[in-house]
Amino acid sequence: QVQLQQSGTELVKPASSVKISCKASGYTFTSNYMHWIRQQPGNGLEWIGWIYPGNGNTKYNQKFDGKATLTADKSSSTAYMQLSSLTSEDSAVYFCAVTIAANFDYWGQGVMVTVSS
Amino acid sequence: DIVMTQGVLPNPVPSGESASITCRSSKSLVYKDGKTYLNWFLQRPGQSPQLLTYWMSTRASGVSDRFSGSGSGTYFTLKISRVRAEDAGVYYCQQVREYPLTFGSGTKLEIK
Repeated sequence: QVQLQQSGTELVKPASSVKISCKASGYTFTSNYMHWIRQQPGNGLEWIGWIYPGNGNTKYNQKFDGKATLTADKSSSTAYMQLSSLTSEDSAVYFCAVTIAANFDYWGQGVMVTVSS
Repeated sequence: DIVMTQGVLPNPVPSGESASITCRSSKSLVYKDGKTYLNWFLQRPGQSPQLLTYWMSTRASGVSDRFSGSGSGTYFTLKISRVRAEDAGVYYCQQVREYPLTFGSGTKLEIK
């Protein structure tokens, strides 16, 4: 069965960077778009962008240009998102979600990132 | 960016009744292939969102037929028949017609 296992909770300092992961199993990692989504505390969902692991192509929401960098490691079927120049505004839960039969049909459990000094 | 605006439900909804959640887009979500690129998700408390319907009215795999999506190019409805306790949570619509992909702000459903 399809599973997306995300890395654990992060507590990071302002102005630093963090890299979170999403390990995929149960489908062909290189043939499906992996999306990343942000959910700030008490707020709704924001689409950050996608990566196509087969060729590394990416598409970003302009709002996250320069903030998020998406990469993928085919050998371990793992997608990564690096967030840079962190501020309190970046404190949120970050989800990965894959498009297989339909857009966003499988989601990871989410990673809580807290930015605090 | 396409703005997605969701309605509010008169909560709580009695168990066994029906509930209709509305969503409006600032631009038509109909693509040149004739499909309407609108998704519905349910996020239960403490969980990840779950895809319910896509292409406006196609149920995702394993989703109960109590959930049905309908609408036009810019106005959409998710109807939940015979609501149960497990249907409680926040419902989001999402457009995947053009970039950036955008979500509505969510509609909370409480069950009595």
